[in-house]
Amino acid sequence: EMQLEESGGAVVQPGGSLRLSCIASGFNLDDYTVHWVRQAPGKGLEWVSLINSDDGKIYYADSVKGRFTISRDISKNSLYLQMDGLRTEDTALYYCARDGDSGYVLAYWGQGTLVTVSS
Amino acid sequence: SYELTQPPSVSVSPGQTARIPCSGDALPKKYVYWYQQKSGRAPVLVIYEDNKRPSGIPERFSGSTSGTTATLTIGGAQVEDKADYYCYSADSSGNPIFGGGTELTVL
Repeated sequence: EMQLEESGGAVVQPGGSLRLSCIASGFNLDDYTVHWVRQAPGKGLEWVSLINSDDGKIYYADSVKGRFTISRDISKNSLYLQMDGLRTEDTALYYCARDGDSGYVLAYWGQGTLVTVSS
Repeated sequence: SYELTQPPSVSVSPGQTARIPCSGDALPKKYVYWYQQKSGRAPVLVIYEDNKRPSGIPERFSGSTSGTTATLTIGGAQVEDKADYYCYSADSSGNPIFGGGTELTVL
């Protein structure tokens, strides 16, 4: 069964750092484009970052560029999001998600991990 | 910066057709995807590549595009279709973006 499970969410002070993890099971992470998407409390979805499976290229939303770093460890079948210089506006539920076959984009999602940035 | 614009809310009675628009200048050249998110749950893909329906999604869900507007149509909306719906596409440079979301009420 295909699964994505996020972890690492916590309460952190402004300016702090946090590393989110997403463990994949039931498929090989490097076979698919994978994303981080976040949702602030009571707000809409915001795309954050992706690693393209075809060429390994990485993309970031302007709101996190220079502060967040996406990476993956194939040996652990895991995706990561290193978040530095956190701001209160980064408070959100962070989802990892992957594309599917046949043109499916963001076809499979985890349940999310909550990051709260507060003093 | 580029935006995908959706109405905040749409309301229909059960059995009626619900139409949720999403507008953006780059839509004539970029695919649109639609996601359904029920309260407290992760999003679910309901339409991909403008008008294709993933396996397992009911036939009452359909997608269309015309110029700079994409539309998600739920023909014969049911109470269980109550959810937030988001369009997703990319700007002219290929950077992904979600629309602001539309809350669908069926009652």
